[in-house]
Amino acid sequence: KAGVTQTPRYLIKTRGQQVTLSCSPISGHRSVSWYQQTPGQGLQFLFEYFSETQRNKGNFPGRFSGRQFSNSRSEMNVSTLELGDSALYLCASSPVSPQGPSEQYFGPGTRLTVT
Amino acid sequence: AQTVTQSQPEMSVQEAETVTLSCTYDTSESDYYLFWYKQPPSRQMILVIRQEAYKQQNATENRFSVNFQKAAKSFSLKISDSQLGDAAMYFCAYRSVGTGNQFYFGTGTSLTVIP
Repeated sequence: KAGVTQTPRYLIKTRGQQVTLSCSPISGHRSVSWYQQTPGQGLQFLFEYFSETQRNKGNFPGRFSGRQFSNSRSEMNVSTLELGDSALYLCASSPVSPQGPSEQYFGPGTRLTVT
Repeated sequence: AQTVTQSQPEMSVQEAETVTLSCTYDTSESDYYLFWYKQPPSRQMILVIRQEAYKQQNATENRFSVNFQKAAKSFSLKISDSQLGDAAMYFCAYRSVGTGNQFYFGTGTSLTVIP
Protein backbone atom coordinates (compact mmCIF):
# COMPACT_ATOMS: atom_id res chain seq x y z
CA LYS A 1 0.00 0.00 0.00
CA ALA A 2 1.16 3.50 -0.74
CA GLY A 3 1.80 5.63 2.32
CA VAL A 4 0.37 8.99 3.24
CA THR A 5 1.33 11.61 0.69
CA GLN A 6 1.43 15.35 1.14
CA THR A 7 1.80 18.09 -1.44
CA PRO A 8 3.60 20.32 -1.84
CA ARG A 9 6.65 19.31 0.19
CA TYR A 10 7.98 22.84 0.47
CA LEU A 11 6.27 26.19 0.22
CA ILE A 12 7.36 29.79 0.64
CA LYS A 13 4.71 32.45 1.10
CA THR A 14 4.62 36.06 2.23
CA ARG A 15 2.68 37.50 5.12
CA GLY A 16 -0.97 38.11 4.38
CA GLN A 17 -1.21 35.46 1.69
CA GLN A 18 -3.19 32.27 2.02
CA VAL A 19 -2.06 28.70 1.43
CA THR A 20 -3.66 25.31 0.79
CA LEU A 21 -1.96 22.05 1.69
CA SER A 22 -3.09 18.66 0.48
CA CYS A 23 -3.00 15.21 2.03
CA SER A 24 -3.87 11.83 0.53
CA PRO A 25 -4.34 9.14 3.18
CA ILE A 26 -3.50 5.47 2.92
CA SER A 27 -6.11 3.66 0.86
CA GLY A 28 -9.01 2.62 3.07
CA HIS A 29 -8.22 5.08 5.86
CA ARG A 30 -11.09 7.45 6.53
CA SER A 31 -9.67 9.45 9.40
CA VAL A 32 -7.23 12.25 8.63
CA SER A 33 -5.59 14.49 11.22
CA TRP A 34 -3.43 17.57 10.79
CA TYR A 35 -0.64 18.77 13.05
CA GLN A 36 1.63 21.79 13.20
CA GLN A 37 5.20 21.00 14.24
CA THR A 38 7.60 23.70 15.41
CA PRO A 39 10.91 23.41 17.29
CA GLY A 40 10.31 23.39 21.03
CA GLN A 41 6.51 23.09 20.69
CA GLY A 42 6.37 19.58 19.40
CA LEU A 43 3.23 18.56 17.54
CA GLN A 44 0.17 20.71 18.00
CA PHE A 45 -3.13 19.17 16.92
CA LEU A 46 -5.07 21.19 14.36
CA PHE A 47 -8.09 19.07 13.47
CA GLU A 48 -9.35 15.62 12.55
CA TYR A 49 -11.70 14.71 9.75
CA PHE A 50 -13.68 11.52 9.42
CA SER A 51 -16.06 10.77 6.56
CA GLU A 52 -15.98 14.40 5.39
CA THR A 53 -16.88 15.74 8.84
CA GLN A 54 -14.65 17.57 11.25
CA ARG A 55 -14.68 15.36 14.32
CA ASN A 56 -12.22 17.21 16.50
CA LYS A 57 -10.50 20.57 16.55
CA GLY A 58 -7.43 21.88 18.34
CA ASN A 59 -6.85 25.31 19.79
CA PHE A 60 -5.95 27.27 16.67
CA PRO A 61 -7.47 30.50 15.33
CA GLY A 62 -10.15 30.47 12.66
CA ARG A 63 -7.54 31.29 10.01
CA PHE A 64 -6.81 27.57 10.02
CA SER A 65 -9.45 25.51 8.32
CA GLY A 66 -9.76 22.19 6.59
CA ARG A 67 -11.99 19.88 4.70
CA GLN A 68 -12.20 16.29 3.59
CA PHE A 69 -13.49 14.94 0.33
CA SER A 70 -15.52 11.82 -0.39
CA ASN A 71 -12.33 9.94 -1.36
CA SER A 72 -10.89 10.81 2.10
CA ARG A 73 -8.32 13.20 0.69
CA SER A 74 -8.00 16.26 2.87
CA GLU A 75 -6.90 19.84 2.50
CA MET A 76 -6.03 22.44 5.06
CA ASN A 77 -6.07 26.15 4.42
CA VAL A 78 -4.37 28.95 6.26
CA SER A 79 -5.54 32.46 5.46
CA THR A 80 -3.80 35.75 6.20
CA LEU A 81 -0.48 34.10 6.88
CA GLU A 82 1.67 35.30 9.78
CA LEU A 83 5.38 34.78 10.36
CA GLY A 84 4.52 32.46 13.26
CA ASP A 85 2.76 30.09 10.89
CA SER A 86 6.14 28.93 9.58
CA ALA A 87 6.26 25.26 10.51
CA LEU A 88 6.20 21.69 9.32
CA TYR A 89 2.60 20.62 8.74
CA LEU A 90 2.03 16.94 9.17
CA CYS A 91 -0.91 14.90 8.03
CA ALA A 92 -1.73 11.52 9.54
CA SER A 93 -4.30 8.92 8.55
CA SER A 94 -5.86 6.17 10.61
CA PRO A 95 -7.78 3.01 9.84
CA VAL A 96 -11.37 2.76 11.01
CA SER A 97 -11.88 1.22 14.43
CA PRO A 98 -14.99 1.09 16.65
CA GLN A 99 -12.96 2.64 19.44
CA GLY A 100 -11.50 5.35 17.29
CA PRO A 101 -8.01 5.55 15.82
CA SER A 102 -5.62 3.18 17.56
CA GLU A 103 -2.62 4.39 15.62
CA GLN A 104 -1.69 6.98 13.05
CA TYR A 105 0.41 6.87 9.92
CA PHE A 106 2.17 10.08 9.08
CA GLY A 107 3.05 11.72 5.80
CA PRO A 108 6.41 13.39 5.11
CA GLY A 109 5.01 16.84 5.87
CA THR A 110 4.85 20.18 4.11
CA ARG A 111 7.48 22.70 5.17
CA LEU A 112 5.84 26.14 5.09
CA THR A 113 8.00 29.23 5.34
CA VAL A 114 6.35 32.62 5.72
CA THR A 115 8.47 35.66 4.91
CA ALA B 1 -6.99 18.39 29.03
CA GLN B 2 -4.53 15.55 28.86
CA THR B 3 -0.84 16.43 28.86
CA VAL B 4 2.22 14.45 27.89
CA THR B 5 5.61 15.40 29.32
CA GLN B 6 9.02 14.39 28.07
CA SER B 7 11.54 15.85 30.49
CA GLN B 8 14.66 14.94 28.50
CA PRO B 9 15.05 17.25 25.48
CA GLU B 10 18.27 15.48 24.47
CA MET B 11 19.85 12.12 25.18
CA SER B 12 22.89 10.31 23.88
CA VAL B 13 23.96 6.68 23.90
CA GLN B 14 26.98 4.73 22.77
CA GLU B 15 26.39 2.33 19.93
CA ALA B 16 25.40 -1.15 21.20
CA GLU B 17 24.44 0.25 24.61
CA THR B 18 20.98 0.63 26.15
CA VAL B 19 19.12 3.90 26.65
CA THR B 20 15.81 4.75 28.31
CA LEU B 21 13.64 7.68 27.31
CA SER B 22 11.14 8.99 29.84
CA CYS B 23 7.53 10.03 29.42
CA THR B 24 4.81 10.93 31.90
CA TYR B 25 1.22 11.81 31.18
CA ASP B 26 -1.74 13.22 32.98
CA THR B 27 -5.24 11.84 32.53
CA SER B 28 -8.36 10.96 34.46
CA GLU B 29 -9.33 8.30 31.93
CA SER B 30 -8.93 4.60 32.63
CA ASP B 31 -8.79 3.30 29.08
CA TYR B 32 -6.34 4.77 26.61
CA TYR B 33 -3.45 4.12 24.27
CA LEU B 34 0.16 5.18 24.63
CA PHE B 35 2.63 5.41 21.78
CA TRP B 36 6.24 6.09 20.97
CA TYR B 37 6.92 7.61 17.57
CA LYS B 38 10.29 8.09 15.91
CA GLN B 39 11.09 10.96 13.58
CA PRO B 40 14.47 10.56 11.82
CA PRO B 41 16.15 13.55 10.20
CA SER B 42 14.27 12.78 6.95
CA ARG B 43 11.13 13.83 8.87
CA GLN B 44 8.86 10.84 8.22
CA MET B 45 7.29 10.01 11.56
CA ILE B 46 6.91 6.28 12.19
CA LEU B 47 5.31 4.29 14.99
CA VAL B 48 7.81 2.47 17.18
CA ILE B 49 5.58 0.82 19.76
CA ARG B 50 2.05 0.97 21.16
CA GLN B 51 0.61 0.07 24.55
CA GLU B 52 -3.04 -0.41 25.50
CA ALA B 53 -3.67 0.78 29.05
CA TYR B 54 -5.80 -2.25 29.94
CA LYS B 55 -2.89 -4.58 29.23
CA GLN B 56 -0.58 -5.10 32.18
CA GLN B 57 2.11 -6.71 30.08
CA ASN B 58 4.66 -4.27 28.70
CA ALA B 59 4.80 -4.07 24.91
CA THR B 60 7.97 -5.09 23.08
CA GLU B 61 9.07 -4.76 19.46
CA ASN B 62 12.45 -6.32 18.80
CA ARG B 63 15.01 -4.03 20.47
CA PHE B 64 12.34 -1.63 21.71
CA SER B 65 10.40 -2.18 24.90
CA VAL B 66 8.37 -0.06 27.28
CA ASN B 67 8.00 0.18 31.01
CA PHE B 68 4.35 1.07 31.57
CA GLN B 69 3.48 2.14 35.09
CA LYS B 70 -0.23 2.98 35.04
CA ALA B 71 -0.54 4.15 38.63
CA ALA B 72 2.47 6.43 38.23
CA LYS B 73 1.30 7.51 34.75
CA SER B 74 4.72 6.75 33.39
CA PHE B 75 5.61 5.26 30.01
CA SER B 76 9.32 4.95 29.29
CA LEU B 77 10.95 3.54 26.16
CA LYS B 78 14.01 1.31 26.37
CA ILE B 79 16.18 0.85 23.32
CA SER B 80 18.59 -2.06 23.59
CA ASP B 81 21.71 -2.62 21.49
CA SER B 82 21.45 0.92 20.10
CA GLN B 83 22.26 1.36 16.43
CA LEU B 84 23.25 4.41 14.42
CA GLY B 85 19.88 4.26 12.69
CA ASP B 86 18.14 4.83 16.02
CA ALA B 87 19.28 8.45 16.02
CA ALA B 88 16.11 10.49 15.76
CA MET B 89 13.57 12.57 17.59
CA TYR B 90 11.31 10.41 19.74
CA PHE B 91 7.80 11.50 20.65
CA CYS B 92 5.59 10.03 23.30
CA ALA B 93 1.87 10.24 22.58
CA TYR B 94 -1.44 9.54 24.31
CA ARG B 95 -4.98 8.97 23.13
CA SER B 96 -8.14 8.13 25.04
CA VAL B 97 -10.21 5.23 23.71
CA GLY B 98 -13.29 6.36 21.84
CA THR B 99 -14.11 8.25 18.70
CA GLY B 100 -13.55 11.96 18.60
CA ASN B 101 -10.56 11.88 20.93
CA GLN B 102 -7.39 13.47 19.71
CA PHE B 103 -3.79 12.38 20.07
CA TYR B 104 -1.62 14.35 22.50
CA PHE B 105 2.12 14.48 21.89
CA GLY B 106 5.05 15.35 24.09
CA THR B 107 7.69 17.83 22.96
CA GLY B 108 10.12 15.09 22.02
CA THR B 109 13.54 13.75 22.98
CA SER B 110 16.40 14.04 20.52
CA LEU B 111 18.50 10.88 20.64
CA THR B 112 22.10 10.87 19.44
CA VAL B 113 23.91 7.57 18.92
CA ILE B 114 27.68 7.81 19.32
CA PRO B 115 29.73 5.38 17.21
